[in-house]
Amino acid sequence: GAGVSQSPSNKVTEKGKDVELRCDPISGHTALYWYRQSLGQGLEFLIYFQGNSAPDKSGLPSDRFSAERTGGSVSTLTIQRTQQEDSAVYLCASSTSGALLETQYFGPGTRLLVL
Amino acid sequence: KQEVTQIPAALSVPEGENLVLNCSFTDSAIYNLQWFRQDPGKGLTSLLLIQSSQREQTSGRLNASLDKSSGRSTLYIAASQPGDSATYLCAGCSGNTPLVFGKGTRLSVIA
Repeated sequence: GAGVSQSPSNKVTEKGKDVELRCDPISGHTALYWYRQSLGQGLEFLIYFQGNSAPDKSGLPSDRFSAERTGGSVSTLTIQRTQQEDSAVYLCASSTSGALLETQYFGPGTRLLVL
Repeated sequence: KQEVTQIPAALSVPEGENLVLNCSFTDSAIYNLQWFRQDPGKGLTSLLLIQSSQREQTSGRLNASLDKSSGRSTLYIAASQPGDSATYLCAGCSGNTPLVFGKGTRLSVIA
């Protein structure tokens, strides 16, 4: 069956521009997560959506980062006024209900390069 | 705050060798510990998930253990193959926090 998909797979942008990254979770999964993987660093949690609950935004590094999840399915991560330190691979994951004991299924990621 | 550390950062072994990857975590109140595999340019693939009530999980040539008291988990790979070459990540979940990942161990299995 279809897994988690992300688009674009690669994005090159200029410093100061806004970017939008898209995530399509596995159909029926109510929980959706965004992570960032910077060069030489581990995966860093950014934001978590579960059903209709308010998202957990505790991992967002600055107010330039925001995310939405429309209709409980597709999610968009927006980075405003991009900086070079935003360059990283942005990974999305989904799970059935967001319970702590569940496996998360990851997409292939979007590789962002800010020049 | 949960912190996860993986040692070594990189490991190179000859084909056929058995090997152990190490993961340590600071918060023993852990709900689960997961091991993932990441291939270059690709996302993560879940390998094994150990719940806090369990001590180990096995899948094929892989065996993962969890010792909450010592804050350690190991991933044992038997009879390694070149196709096992990848970065292996461990991640812990405690309280209501999402997964906290280590930086990974980059494994190379040489034919």
